[in-house]
Amino acid sequence: DQQVKQNSPSLSVQEGRISILNCDYTNSMFDYFLWYKKYPAEGPTFLISISSIKDKNEDGRFTVFLNKSAKHLSLHIVPSQPGDSAVYFCAASAQNAGNMLTFGGGTRLMVKP
Amino acid sequence: KAGVTQTPRYLIKTRGQQVTLSCSPISGHRSVSWYQQTPGQGLQFLFEYFSETQRNKGNFPGRFSGRQFSNSRSEMNVSTLELGDSALYLCASSLYSGSRGNEQFFGPGTRLTVL
Repeated sequence: DQQVKQNSPSLSVQEGRISILNCDYTNSMFDYFLWYKKYPAEGPTFLISISSIKDKNEDGRFTVFLNKSAKHLSLHIVPSQPGDSAVYFCAASAQNAGNMLTFGGGTRLMVKP
Repeated sequence: KAGVTQTPRYLIKTRGQQVTLSCSPISGHRSVSWYQQTPGQGLQFLFEYFSETQRNKGNFPGRFSGRQFSNSRSEMNVSTLELGDSALYLCASSLYSGSRGNEQFFGPGTRLTVL
């Protein structure tokens, strides 16, 4: 069973507009969440994270929102740029699980000029 | 600062063979984790090594094993290869074990094809 799900396999957005990528999880033990970006032929690159004690974390153009009651998080990219085109993975971890991350299936974001 | 390196980058094996993949973490990093990425199952955690000890293990059969050396370099081994083992194997390194504020840096991966 997938404990972390990204229900949209792809998303297309116009340059300058907002990109919203969504992620749902089922495991109540998850208390730390991360977003990674992946370009072809490269490993994932860390973008932003959020602890379960917060509901929002912002870093430049990237903001992650966490709704614990709904077990849902989202990544907002504003404004979107063509260089943001990549596959985005949501990941979750539980306390005392070391560096073990449970990943979602990824969402391919395409930002059109 | 050099990033995480993985060797080889590409590998072709046949069913029944075994394979060893190598990962050199960023200098000073003591934790190395391995992940398998396939189109069907996505990115799945294999195991994590920290200071030469296996810290966590994912839900994979015993054919998948790993180890870490005193210089933090890690190897993973897959014995009796099956077609379903064809995947991109990613390694990630970090300073310590524990995700909070401890960024994991991924290597480019080793693409394994089993024929």
